[in-house]
Amino acid sequence: RKEVEQDPGPFNVPEGATVAFNCTYSNSASQSFFWYRQDCRKEPKLLMSVYSSGNEDGRFTAQLNRASQYISLLIRDSKLSDSATYLCVVPRTGTASKLTFGTGTRLQVTL
Amino acid sequence: DTEVTQTPKHLVMGMTNKKSLKCEQHMGHRAMYWYKQKAKKPPELMFVYSYEKLSINESVPSRFSPECPNSSLLNLHLHALQPEDSALYLCASSQQGVDTQYFGPGTRLTVL
Repeated sequence: RKEVEQDPGPFNVPEGATVAFNCTYSNSASQSFFWYRQDCRKEPKLLMSVYSSGNEDGRFTAQLNRASQYISLLIRDSKLSDSATYLCVVPRTGTASKLTFGTGTRLQVTL
Repeated sequence: DTEVTQTPKHLVMGMTNKKSLKCEQHMGHRAMYWYKQKAKKPPELMFVYSYEKLSINESVPSRFSPECPNSSLLNLHLHALQPEDSALYLCASSQQGVDTQYFGPGTRLTVL
């Protein structure tokens, strides 16, 4: 199993739809998880941090399933501006400095 | 304010040139990072500075030379690069021992 694995997509959804992405990780000792969004030719921007079972921020909900070793990101009421690549990021245990990035899931929200 | 700034935004250089990329943060973060990102790939870690000392070098070729003049600044000196080094170079910072990293806007480098 890859350290961090994501479905590359693209996910094409209409405006207003609910969409969910999953990210699986291999290290059962991982304690923290992040979702970053990256627009085309821009830097990754922190979207959400997950340290326990989940986190919610407005239309965005992240959930952690430790038993199955996956993190999900749910986006409700999708906006055109949500179109981006969503990177799942897991710090390597024992070193907070090293992050393992998934390859990203591309979301395209359409009219 | 979670702002990391980088200059220049774009850089075109020949294989014999010497240039430098600059990164600055004023969040009091004591860990700073250089990443390289190719199109449609995730960022790849190059270097980590912790308290102004180089703590991680991910086996980066010596034509890339990092420098941390003080706790707010990080430079990446470039010399004799190859066309395959063309990429987006991202700087990031974090509080020491905390895994949340904040990225700058990057420098898009083209090597001719």
